Amino acid sequence: QVQLVESGGGVVQPGRSLRLSCAASGFTFSTYGMHWVRQAPGKGLDYVAVISYDGSKPYYADSVKGRFTVSRDNSKNTLYLQMNNLRAEDTAFYYCARDLPFSGLDNWGPGTLVTVSS
Amino acid sequence: QSALAQPASVSGSPGQSITISCTGTSSDIGNYNYVSWYQQHPGKAPILLIYDVSKRPSGISNRFSGSKSGNTASLTISGLQAEDEAHYYCSSYTTISTYVFGTGTTVTVL
Repeated sequence: QVQLVESGGGVVQPGRSLRLSCAASGFTFSTYGMHWVRQAPGKGLDYVAVISYDGSKPYYADSVKGRFTVSRDNSKNTLYLQMNNLRAEDTAFYYCARDLPFSGLDNWGPGTLVTVSS
Repeated sequence: QSALAQPASVSGSPGQSITISCTGTSSDIGNYNYVSWYQQHPGKAPILLIYDVSKRPSGISNRFSGSKSGNTASLTISGLQAEDEAHYYCSSYTTISTYVFGTGTTVTVL
């Protein structure tokens, strides 16, 4: 069955960097686009980034553009989110999710918590 | 891209039907039949309930149904059960080739 597991979250000071990973299994990772979605504690879902199946055409929400980079290693079945110059407002659970082309996000990981605090 | 508008809360008694609305624009809901709905229980990841306006993934109860008219989509939960108490989010594909989420609706079973 499809499994997505995020890792790399933790507590980080403002202005510092963090890299999240999402390990995928149970499907042919290299044929699916992948997303990052975040959710601040007690708040709604906030779209972060998407990357196509081959690593081209990344897209970023305005709130993270220029600070976050999404990438993937299809040989390792792993999705990444490099987060630089972190701000307090980046504090959230970060979920990776698989793309159902045009139709939505059909499988989600359990999420990893990123806390930006001094 | 502005979030799609949902009511903050909807409630109903067991066995009743409730409907959650999701209002967007001609750049998202109004332009595509690519509306999806997600259910999220506290402390859990979202799960896909509905995609392509009205399709259900395998394993999703037929008590959940979706529809769309113009720039507004709707999720109906029939035969409301205690386990349906959760947060619900709509989403749509957009003209900038990504997705936008709704503001979220808390469903309470009275």
